Amino acid sequence: GAGVSQSPSNKVTEKGKDVELRCDPISGHTALYWYRQSLGQGLEFLIYFQGNSAPDKSGLPSDRFSAERTGGSVSTLTIQRTQQEDSAVYLCASSPTDRGTDTQYFGPGTRLTVL
Amino acid sequence: GNSVTQMEGPVTLSEEAFLTINCTYTATGYPSLFWYVQYPGEGLQLLLKATKADDKGSNKGFEATYRKETTSFHLEKGSVQVSDSAVYFCALMGSYQKVTFGIGTKLQVIP
Repeated sequence: GAGVSQSPSNKVTEKGKDVELRCDPISGHTALYWYRQSLGQGLEFLIYFQGNSAPDKSGLPSDRFSAERTGGSVSTLTIQRTQQEDSAVYLCASSPTDRGTDTQYFGPGTRLTVL
Repeated sequence: GNSVTQMEGPVTLSEEAFLTINCTYTATGYPSLFWYVQYPGEGLQLLLKATKADDKGSNKGFEATYRKETTSFHLEKGSVQVSDSAVYFCALMGSYQKVTFGIGTKLQVIP
C-alpha cells in the first residue's frame, strides 16, 4: 500500500515568510509525528498527534511553529516568520497506534531552505 | 529526560568486515529500542527493534540486543556489504510515545 507522503519535497523561502508543510500518513494509522533533521544535530522530535486527542507539542522549538491534523488524517506543519536556523529536513512519521512497540513509518521529508 | 548516545562517524570499513555501532541510552522506565537506517537519497526506515530487556532484534544480517544492565543496544553485523552504506540511527521510545534519536552514524563500506 501507499506509504507516508510529504509535500513539497523541497521548499526554498525567504527569511520572514511563512511556510506550510504537508503530511499524508498511511491510511488507518492513528499516530502521527513530526521531526526535524538538522545537519549535525540528528533527529529532533517536534510534535505528536494521537487520534483526536490534543497533540503533544512539547518539542516545538518556538511559538512560530504550529501543527494541526484534520479529521485524524492529514497534518500540516506551519512555520511563521521563518528564520535561517529553521533550515532542515522536516520528517513526518505515522504508526498504527500509540503503543511503544509500534514501528514508525517515515515519509521522504521536506527539505526547507531559508535564505 | 531521555537521551541516546551513539558513536559519531563516519565509519569506514572494507567489504566483509565486522561492524559494531555502539549505542547507549538514558531513560526512565522500560523504553522500546530501535535502529533506523537511511540509505542515500531515501527516507528513514526501521531496521530492527527490541521491546524488552534481553530481546534481540535482527534483520538483513544486522543484530542488536537490548541490554538493560548496561543500557546499551549496540548494532552488529558479521560481514558488511557495499550496499550497507547508509546512516544508522539508534532511537528509543519512552513514556508518552516520545521518540528520542541519536545523532546518526554514517557507515561507508568500500569494495
